[in-house]
Parts: sequence; C-alpha cells; structure tokens
Amino acid sequence: DAKTTQPTSMDCAEGRAANLPCNHSTISGNEYVYWYRQIHSQGPQYIIHGLKNNETNEMASLIITEDRKSSTLILPHATLRDTAVYYCIVRVDGTGGFKTIFGAGTRLFVKA
Amino acid sequence: GAGVSQSPRYKVAKRGQDVALRCDPISGHVSLFWYQQALGQGPEFLTYFQNEAQLDKSGLPSDRFFAERPEGSVSTLKIQRTQQEDSAVYLCASSLARDRQYTFGSGTRLTVV
Repeated sequence: DAKTTQPTSMDCAEGRAANLPCNHSTISGNEYVYWYRQIHSQGPQYIIHGLKNNETNEMASLIITEDRKSSTLILPHATLRDTAVYYCIVRVDGTGGFKTIFGAGTRLFVKA
Repeated sequence: GAGVSQSPRYKVAKRGQDVALRCDPISGHVSLFWYQQALGQGPEFLTYFQNEAQLDKSGLPSDRFFAERPEGSVSTLKIQRTQQEDSAVYLCASSLARDRQYTFGSGTRLTVV
C-alpha cells in the first residue's frame, strides 16, 4: 500500500472549518483515498473515500488534487465532538490488498 | 446486529495465561479484520477473513497468536502464553466485502501483568 504523510496534530476553533491535509505522493492509479477517525476509547469510524473526484457526505468533504498526490479532509463546522485522531489511508479496492494500513494519523483538537 | 460487538471490553491477564477475544461482526458482512493498537499508535493489521477462510495472517506477531472464524460469522482471536508486550487494544472490523469501508468495534483492552 502507498504511504501517507499527515501532520502530527492540529488545532481548530469550534464552528470553524477544519482542513486536514494528507500527502500520498506514491499513490497508484487504482488506489483510493480513505479517511477514518478515532475518538478516544472507540474504534475507528469511516468518514469518506474517493478516487479522483471531490466527494462530500453528511460528515465531511474530501478534496483530491488533480495529480492525486495529496488530499484534504474538510470538516465544515467543527464541533468539540470532532476532537479525534484522523487517519488518511490509501488502499487498493477490488484487486487484492486485503490490508488497510493505518499510519499515526493527525490528532485534531477542537477548542471552544 | 447494529454494529460490531467485541467482548470482553477489558481483560487483565497474568503473564503466561491464555486469553480469547471475541468479535461479533455485523450480520451479512463477509469480511472480518483484526487489528492491534498500542497506546498512542495507529491500528496495526493482524489478520483477515473472508467468510470462514483466513486469507491473510501476515500481521500476526508470533505463533502464540491464533484467529478463527469457523462458521463465517463470529471470530475469536486467541493469544497463548501472554507476554507484557501483548498489552494493547485489539480491534475487530467487518465489511460487506473487502473493497468496502470497515465498521469497527470498540475493541478489547488487554493488559498483561
């Protein structure tokens, strides 16, 4: 699986947008970008994924650069409950690669 | 069920004791994964099942670790002769297929004393 690079930690003010960057410069053409988050004492929770196009769901938006070497997860109006570790993962879908490899993630602190 | 259920939630084992950790995946989910998460680290892959078949066990750290899913639903991760370095949270995840997003359980926190 391709490796990802994320900042160790970030702060965000409550009510503001949280923009979490991820670099995946060695991504292959058939590899998807997935985002999960892990709130303290819980298992990771799926947020969103994408291949080439930007994606949006009820939780977040995912912006993928045209060259696909980086992406940004956007939480449009961060709340205190969004404080968590956010994992950016690149994995192959559908053609093998049974493992989803987690890195260390970004620890997001949302402050009042 | 509505989510992935893991039991026990907490387990304290004396060094050398055998433990068994249980995972109840979401009904109908074909794929099941086990991960190990040390304090302050991201989850590390242990093993993967598709139905009852264990297709990848490359992440199991030693032959003391054994996982099974005999009927393609409930899975058990067994650790024999536990060591202090086995202390971690053990996470189970399931998905409809291996190429779909995972649903994780809350994990079992194992402490070996």
